[in-house]
Amino acid sequence: QVQLVESGGGVVQPGRSLRLSCAASGFTFRSFAMHWVRQAPGNGLEWVAAISFDGSDRYYADSLKGRFIVSRDNFKNTLFLQMNSLGAEDTSRYYCARETGSSLDYWGQGTLVTVSS
Amino acid sequence: DIVLTQSPLSLPVTPGEPASISCRSSQSLLNSNADNCLAWYLQKPGQSPQLLIYLGSNRASGVPDRISGSGSGTDFTLRISRVEADDVGVYYCMQPLHTPWTFGQGTKVEIK
Repeated sequence: QVQLVESGGGVVQPGRSLRLSCAASGFTFRSFAMHWVRQAPGNGLEWVAAISFDGSDRYYADSLKGRFIVSRDNFKNTLFLQMNSLGAEDTSRYYCARETGSSLDYWGQGTLVTVSS
Repeated sequence: DIVLTQSPLSLPVTPGEPASISCRSSQSLLNSNADNCLAWYLQKPGQSPQLLIYLGSNRASGVPDRISGSGSGTDFTLRISRVEADDVGVYYCMQPLHTPWTFGQGTKVEIK
């Protein structure tokens, strides 16, 4: 069965960096575009970034102002999100999700990132 | 960016009764294939979002037929014909037509 397991979250000081990972299994990872979506505590869903199946195309939310980088390793079936210059506004649960072309059909359980001094 | 506006934002429901949620887009969500690029999700308390509907009206695998999606262009509706206790949570619409993909604000459904 399809599984997406995020890791790498935690408490980080403002201005520091963090790298999230999403381990995929149960499907042919290299055939699917992948996304990151975040959810601040008590808030709604916010799309963060996407990467094409082969990593050649990447897309980001404008609000990130170039601080985040999405990447993938199709040999290790893993998706990454490198987050730099973190601020309090980045405190959220970060989900990875598989794209079908017209939806995000499978989501992980998310990993919580808290930016605090 | 495409803005999705959901209404209502809070929806108290009675088990066995119908319920509906509206999602209006700031731009048409019709693609070049005449598909409506609109998906619906339910996020149950403490869980990740789960896909209910894609391309406006197609049920995802395992979604009961008492849940349906309709609409075209800029106006869409999610309907639950008979609400059950397991339907509580926050419902979101999402558009995958243009980057950045965007979500509605969410509609919280709770049992009266």
